[in-house]
Amino acid sequence: GAVVSQHPSWVICKSGTSVKIECRSLDFQATTMFWYRQFPKQSLMLMATSNEGSKATYEQGVEKDKFLINHASLTLSTLTVTSAHPEDSSFYICSADRVQGGNEQFFGPGTRLTVL
Amino acid sequence: DAKTTQPTSMDCAEGRAANLPCNHSTISGNEYVYWYRQIHSQGPQYIIHGLKNNETNEMASLIITEDRKSSTLILPHATLRDTAVYYCTRRGSSNTGKLIFGQGTTLQVKP
Repeated sequence: GAVVSQHPSWVICKSGTSVKIECRSLDFQATTMFWYRQFPKQSLMLMATSNEGSKATYEQGVEKDKFLINHASLTLSTLTVTSAHPEDSSFYICSADRVQGGNEQFFGPGTRLTVL
Repeated sequence: DAKTTQPTSMDCAEGRAANLPCNHSTISGNEYVYWYRQIHSQGPQYIIHGLKNNETNEMASLIITEDRKSSTLILPHATLRDTAVYYCTRRGSSNTGKLIFGQGTTLQVKP
């Protein structure tokens, strides 16, 4: 299957700092990428839809000013957690739709964020 | 609202077939059924998807009822490495659209 990578795979930061997470589609182009958050022993929760060249669409209850999303190219979307706090500690996962090909949506390996 | 319902957990003996059910009674005519699985602390792995017809690939088979209100994922010969959380979800047919995940089924394959 197609490959989606995330960087970093894990990050520890101090409260109040900002953290950027990258999501890349390595062998295909993706006009649409998605960002999810997952707390321990819970399911994935969709945060936002990232569209190349346009503003992201956020799910209800997700603060767009806190979770900044940029999708500057067909292979890269970034999620920046601004002024992170301990309650933002979570597993962040991205996924990507191929521009051409089947209807599969491919997921990255996830980024573990711990805010101290 | 995940719009799909799955049993919370299931056990399966190693080497036997694992049959995971999913209810999606409100599915629209243009929505596909998707199955993913997630092994602890990893991103979800795509398994299979279908619209109306039954589908099979190297990983699994997907059986969709004629009224499309439910489906079953079949792992023909479960191994210990198939132990994971299995998610059934749905999305529109335009190759876009978000996936909303429910709680999934935790499948435990036992020796």
